[in-house]
Amino acid sequence: DAGVIQSPRHEVTEMGQEVTLRCKPISGHNSLFWYRQTMMRGLELLIYFNNNVPIDDSGMPEDRFSAKMPNASFSTLKIQPSEPRDSAVYFCASRFTGELFFGEGSRLTVL
Amino acid sequence: TQLLEQSPQFLSIQEGENLTVYCNSSSVFSSLQWYRQEPGEGPVLLVTVVTGGEVKKLKRLTFQFGDARKDSSLHITAAQTGDTGLYLCAGGENYGQNFVFGPGTRLSVLP
Repeated sequence: DAGVIQSPRHEVTEMGQEVTLRCKPISGHNSLFWYRQTMMRGLELLIYFNNNVPIDDSGMPEDRFSAKMPNASFSTLKIQPSEPRDSAVYFCASRFTGELFFGEGSRLTVL
Repeated sequence: TQLLEQSPQFLSIQEGENLTVYCNSSSVFSSLQWYRQEPGEGPVLLVTVVTGGEVKKLKRLTFQFGDARKDSSLHITAAQTGDTGLYLCAGGENYGQNFVFGPGTRLSVLP
Protein backbone atom coordinates (compact mmCIF):
# COMPACT_ATOMS: atom_id res chain seq x y z
CA ASP A 1 0.00 0.00 0.00
CA ALA A 2 1.19 3.53 -0.73
CA GLY A 3 2.05 5.62 2.26
CA VAL A 4 1.48 9.33 2.71
CA ILE A 5 2.63 11.09 -0.44
CA GLN A 6 4.00 14.62 -0.34
CA SER A 7 5.11 16.93 -3.11
CA PRO A 8 7.37 18.54 -3.91
CA ARG A 9 10.21 16.83 -2.03
CA HIS A 10 12.37 19.91 -2.38
CA GLU A 11 11.46 23.51 -3.14
CA VAL A 12 13.78 26.48 -3.42
CA THR A 13 12.12 29.83 -3.87
CA GLU A 14 12.75 33.51 -3.37
CA MET A 15 11.32 35.64 -0.62
CA GLY A 16 7.87 36.93 -1.49
CA GLN A 17 6.91 34.03 -3.72
CA GLU A 18 3.91 31.81 -3.10
CA VAL A 19 4.62 28.22 -2.06
CA THR A 20 2.12 25.37 -2.20
CA LEU A 21 2.85 22.02 -0.57
CA ARG A 22 0.67 19.01 -1.31
CA CYS A 23 -0.27 15.88 0.56
CA LYS A 24 -2.16 12.71 -0.27
CA PRO A 25 -3.01 10.80 2.92
CA ILE A 26 -3.35 7.05 3.22
CA SER A 27 -6.72 5.91 1.90
CA GLY A 28 -9.20 5.35 4.72
CA HIS A 29 -7.44 7.61 7.20
CA ASN A 30 -9.75 10.27 8.60
CA SER A 31 -7.25 12.61 10.28
CA LEU A 32 -4.55 14.65 8.58
CA PHE A 33 -1.81 16.67 10.22
CA TRP A 34 0.68 19.26 8.97
CA TYR A 35 3.92 19.59 10.96
CA ARG A 36 7.00 21.77 10.46
CA GLN A 37 10.46 20.64 11.57
CA THR A 38 13.52 22.82 12.17
CA MET A 39 16.67 22.28 14.17
CA MET A 40 15.78 25.13 16.49
CA ARG A 41 12.12 24.35 17.18
CA GLY A 42 11.84 20.64 16.47
CA LEU A 43 8.59 19.19 15.14
CA GLU A 44 5.72 21.67 15.49
CA LEU A 45 2.07 20.95 14.79
CA LEU A 46 0.67 23.56 12.41
CA ILE A 47 -2.89 22.32 11.82
CA TYR A 48 -4.91 19.14 11.82
CA PHE A 49 -8.12 18.01 10.15
CA ASN A 50 -10.69 15.39 11.15
CA ASN A 51 -12.92 14.19 8.31
CA ASN A 52 -11.68 17.09 6.15
CA VAL A 53 -12.66 19.71 8.77
CA PRO A 54 -9.92 21.86 10.36
CA ILE A 55 -9.99 21.19 14.11
CA ASP A 56 -7.04 23.14 15.48
CA ASP A 57 -5.02 25.69 13.52
CA SER A 58 -3.49 27.43 16.55
CA GLY A 59 -0.04 26.33 15.41
CA MET A 60 -0.23 28.17 12.10
CA PRO A 61 2.42 30.90 12.48
CA GLU A 62 0.51 33.79 10.93
CA ASP A 63 -1.91 34.80 8.22
CA ARG A 64 0.65 34.04 5.54
CA PHE A 65 -0.04 30.34 6.14
CA SER A 66 -3.23 28.62 5.05
CA ALA A 67 -4.26 24.98 4.73
CA LYS A 68 -7.12 23.30 2.96
CA MET A 69 -8.51 19.80 2.68
CA PRO A 70 -11.12 19.83 -0.10
CA ASN A 71 -11.63 16.07 0.06
CA ALA A 72 -10.47 13.00 1.94
CA SER A 73 -7.57 12.32 -0.42
CA PHE A 74 -5.89 15.70 -0.77
CA SER A 75 -4.61 18.59 1.31
CA THR A 76 -2.53 21.68 0.63
CA LEU A 77 -0.45 24.00 2.78
CA LYS A 78 0.12 27.40 1.24
CA ILE A 79 2.54 30.14 2.24
CA GLN A 80 2.01 33.54 0.68
CA PRO A 81 4.24 35.50 0.71
CA SER A 82 7.11 33.27 1.77
CA GLU A 83 9.95 34.52 3.99
CA PRO A 84 13.43 33.09 4.74
CA ARG A 85 12.32 32.12 8.27
CA ASP A 86 9.79 29.73 6.70
CA SER A 87 12.67 27.50 5.58
CA ALA A 88 12.06 24.09 7.15
CA VAL A 89 10.95 20.56 6.39
CA TYR A 90 7.17 20.33 6.25
CA PHE A 91 5.62 16.96 7.06
CA CYS A 92 2.15 15.70 6.40
CA ALA A 93 0.86 12.79 8.48
CA SER A 94 -2.38 10.85 8.45
CA ARG A 95 -4.08 8.56 10.91
CA PHE A 96 -7.12 6.36 11.32
CA THR A 97 -6.56 5.65 14.99
CA GLY A 98 -3.47 5.77 17.19
CA GLU A 99 -0.38 5.74 14.99
CA LEU A 100 0.63 8.72 12.88
CA PHE A 101 1.95 7.82 9.44
CA PHE A 102 4.28 10.48 8.09
CA GLY A 103 5.22 11.34 4.55
CA GLU A 104 8.84 11.87 3.57
CA GLY A 105 8.50 15.64 3.93
CA SER A 106 8.90 18.68 1.73
CA ARG A 107 12.15 20.58 2.28
CA LEU A 108 11.51 24.28 1.70
CA THR A 109 14.29 26.82 1.28
CA VAL A 110 13.34 30.46 0.96
CA LEU A 111 16.20 32.67 -0.21
CA THR B 1 -0.21 23.15 24.39
CA GLN B 2 1.62 20.89 26.81
CA LEU B 3 5.40 20.81 26.52
CA LEU B 4 7.71 17.82 26.44
CA GLU B 5 11.42 17.81 27.24
CA GLN B 6 13.85 15.13 26.14
CA SER B 7 17.29 14.30 27.43
CA PRO B 8 19.99 14.02 26.50
CA GLN B 9 19.79 16.15 23.39
CA PHE B 10 22.70 14.28 21.77
CA LEU B 11 24.21 10.90 22.58
CA SER B 12 27.14 9.17 20.92
CA ILE B 13 28.04 5.66 22.03
CA GLN B 14 29.93 2.59 20.85
CA GLU B 15 28.17 -0.42 19.41
CA GLY B 16 27.27 -2.89 22.15
CA GLU B 17 26.71 -0.31 24.88
CA ASN B 18 23.44 0.24 26.70
CA LEU B 19 21.66 3.59 26.87
CA THR B 20 18.57 5.28 28.25
CA VAL B 21 16.86 8.41 26.96
CA TYR B 22 14.17 10.33 28.77
CA CYS B 23 11.00 12.22 28.00
CA ASN B 24 9.53 14.49 30.67
CA SER B 25 6.64 16.88 31.12
CA SER B 26 4.90 18.73 33.93
CA SER B 27 1.57 17.73 32.36
CA VAL B 28 -0.31 14.47 32.27
CA PHE B 29 -0.81 12.81 28.90
CA SER B 30 -3.53 10.38 27.90
CA SER B 31 -0.94 8.38 25.98
CA LEU B 32 2.64 8.65 24.86
CA GLN B 33 4.32 7.50 21.69
CA TRP B 34 7.95 7.02 20.70
CA TYR B 35 9.06 7.54 17.12
CA ARG B 36 12.40 7.12 15.35
CA GLN B 37 13.36 9.36 12.47
CA GLU B 38 16.18 8.72 10.02
CA PRO B 39 17.73 11.42 7.79
CA GLY B 40 15.52 12.41 4.87
CA GLU B 41 12.53 10.50 6.16
CA GLY B 42 9.51 11.08 8.33
CA PRO B 43 9.23 9.72 11.87
CA VAL B 44 8.14 6.09 12.25
CA LEU B 45 6.20 4.84 15.26
CA LEU B 46 8.01 2.48 17.63
CA VAL B 47 5.48 2.10 20.45
CA THR B 48 2.45 3.59 22.19
CA VAL B 49 2.05 3.45 25.97
CA VAL B 50 -1.25 4.27 27.63
CA THR B 51 -1.31 3.05 31.22
CA GLY B 52 0.74 4.60 34.03
CA GLY B 53 3.62 2.27 34.93
CA GLU B 54 3.30 0.34 31.68
CA VAL B 55 6.42 -1.35 30.31
CA LYS B 56 6.66 -2.51 26.71
CA LYS B 57 9.50 -4.36 25.03
CA LEU B 58 10.35 -4.33 21.36
CA LYS B 59 13.34 -6.63 20.83
CA ARG B 60 16.27 -4.72 22.41
CA LEU B 61 14.17 -1.65 23.19
CA THR B 62 12.31 -1.25 26.49
CA PHE B 63 9.79 1.54 26.95
CA GLN B 64 8.34 2.65 30.27
CA PHE B 65 5.51 5.09 31.00
CA GLY B 66 5.74 6.84 34.36
CA ASP B 67 3.18 6.06 37.05
CA ALA B 68 1.79 9.59 36.84
CA ARG B 69 1.78 9.53 33.01
CA LYS B 70 4.04 12.59 32.88
CA ASP B 71 7.28 10.95 31.81
CA SER B 72 8.69 8.06 29.86
CA SER B 73 11.99 6.37 29.17
CA LEU B 74 13.46 4.35 26.34
CA HIS B 75 16.24 1.89 27.11
CA ILE B 76 18.27 0.23 24.38
CA THR B 77 20.33 -2.85 25.20
CA ALA B 78 23.46 -3.65 23.20
CA ALA B 79 23.04 -0.78 20.75
CA GLN B 80 23.68 -1.42 17.07
CA THR B 81 24.66 1.01 14.31
CA GLY B 82 21.17 0.57 12.88
CA ASP B 83 19.77 2.22 16.02
CA THR B 84 21.26 5.55 14.92
CA GLY B 85 18.61 8.22 14.46
CA LEU B 86 16.47 10.89 16.09
CA TYR B 87 14.22 9.53 18.84
CA LEU B 88 11.08 11.57 19.41
CA CYS B 89 8.49 11.23 22.12
CA ALA B 90 4.96 12.51 21.50
CA GLY B 91 2.25 13.13 24.08
CA GLY B 92 -1.41 12.70 23.29
CA GLU B 93 -3.63 15.77 23.73
CA ASN B 94 -7.38 16.23 23.45
CA TYR B 95 -8.03 12.58 24.29
CA GLY B 96 -5.47 11.50 21.75
CA GLN B 97 -6.81 13.58 18.89
CA ASN B 98 -3.44 15.19 18.30
CA PHE B 99 0.11 14.75 19.51
CA VAL B 100 2.74 17.24 20.66
CA PHE B 101 6.32 16.22 20.04
CA GLY B 102 9.42 16.65 22.17
CA PRO B 103 12.62 18.08 20.64
CA GLY B 104 14.18 14.64 20.28
CA THR B 105 17.36 12.83 21.25
CA ARG B 106 19.83 12.41 18.42
CA LEU B 107 21.56 9.06 18.88
CA SER B 108 24.73 8.04 17.08
CA VAL B 109 25.96 4.48 17.48
CA LEU B 110 29.54 4.07 16.31
CA PRO B 111 30.96 0.78 15.00
